[in-house]
Amino acid sequence: GEDVEQSLFLSVREGDSSVINCTYTDSSSTYLYWYKQEPGAGLQLLTYIFSNMDMKQDQRLTVLLNKKDKHLSLRIADTQTGDSAIYFCAESSPRAQKLVFGQGTRLTINP
Amino acid sequence: KAGVTQTPRYLIKTRGQQVTLSCSPISGHRSVSWYQQTPGQGLQFLFEYFSETQRNKGNFPGRFSGRQFSNSRSEMNVSTLELGDSALYLCASSLALPGRNTEAFFGQGTRLTVV
Repeated sequence: GEDVEQSLFLSVREGDSSVINCTYTDSSSTYLYWYKQEPGAGLQLLTYIFSNMDMKQDQRLTVLLNKKDKHLSLRIADTQTGDSAIYFCAESSPRAQKLVFGQGTRLTINP
Repeated sequence: KAGVTQTPRYLIKTRGQQVTLSCSPISGHRSVSWYQQTPGQGLQFLFEYFSETQRNKGNFPGRFSGRQFSNSRSEMNVSTLELGDSALYLCASSLALPGRNTEAFFGQGTRLTVV
């Protein structure tokens, strides 16, 4: 079946890098996504990675995928107060035909 | 281009009533998915429509239903509301079916409170 796990909380100092981790179980997953949710808002698509890639970089964001271990991470460089939010990892596959989300990681930035 | 539009943003209903939520996808997108978000259960998949056909359904009771129109706009309906239906309902729009070469974009959601 499909299952996605994330740690619930992460606290970092402003200016440091944040690394949010995620594990998934569906080996047929084709796309893995990172979404950001700010209070009272919907989900904002940050980035995604195709399953045949190991890494994707987009400005301050770096996604690493270890397909063998089914482990995905999101690194935010130079973390700012505006990065405070809940970050969701999600997987999708042609078999499941839906997005399966992790529980979300609440990122808190300390001054 | 305009993003995904969900209406209304907030809704308060009484137990036993029914409610209809609306989602207008990004122009050109044919797939609309619905998710329920609650503090206890997180994000749970409700159903997905593509070209007016329901392609996939989550594990929700029959009180939850939906449809998609020829212009790709979608509605979901919840009948005989229960307190536990209080949640943020999110709609996602994508070009193709989930799992294919596509990105899914979400609306701001409809916050439903059942009293």
